[in-house]
Amino acid sequence: NAGVTQTPKFQVLKTGQSMTLQCAQDMNHEYMSWYRQDPGMGLRLIHYSVGAGITDQGEVPNGYNVSRSTTEDFPLRLLSAAPSQTSVYFCASSYSPSGSSYNEQFFGPGTRLTVL
Amino acid sequence: AQSVAQPEDQVNVAEGNPLTVKCTYSVSGNPYLFWYVQYPNRGLQFLLKYITGDNLVKGSYGFEAEFNKSQTSFHLKKPSALVSDSALYFCAVRDGGGTGFQKLVFGTGTRLLVSP
Repeated sequence: NAGVTQTPKFQVLKTGQSMTLQCAQDMNHEYMSWYRQDPGMGLRLIHYSVGAGITDQGEVPNGYNVSRSTTEDFPLRLLSAAPSQTSVYFCASSYSPSGSSYNEQFFGPGTRLTVL
Repeated sequence: AQSVAQPEDQVNVAEGNPLTVKCTYSVSGNPYLFWYVQYPNRGLQFLLKYITGDNLVKGSYGFEAEFNKSQTSFHLKKPSALVSDSALYFCAVRDGGGTGFQKLVFGTGTRLLVSP
């Protein structure tokens, strides 16, 4: 199993450009999520999905769009990049076993994005 | 709102010495607490969790954490540090209840540096 994969690893954008960060998982997990990591702020949830066709907003959703057409893929779109979106982005996936009240999250290696 | 605090930006310890990385929490209801580790240029990896039961929780790589309800703390510990333990450590708390996808609220992270 490759686990959670993310592409690209690095990206530099100009203000106003758009791009899509790719995330895929091969563990058949129901849940997928996107976080951004900024110095001194830990990880903050951007968007998440509890299954194909179902997405919801997290703590910092503005400026980002997501969709979930398959169980495996959960791309994050920046429609018009801004310098404030310079960050490291992590995708994560998880499942909930029957009867469990906790599901460990598995993280991808991250995408380092710089917006000039 | 649920929150965790990591009061130390960095912890320095010599190899072979015991280490402690501190975390305090603020929750309404019973806390579900976690520790994740991030090695350089990698995504986060799950170390251990406290849901209920014994106050001393054992996790991966020889780490353990002590849950203290009266002090609202969940400190990460290891009896003998290794240079390879040098990494960024995040404490997290579950936000919300029930089953299914659970949002995690992360602390700001503590960098552990183990010197030879």
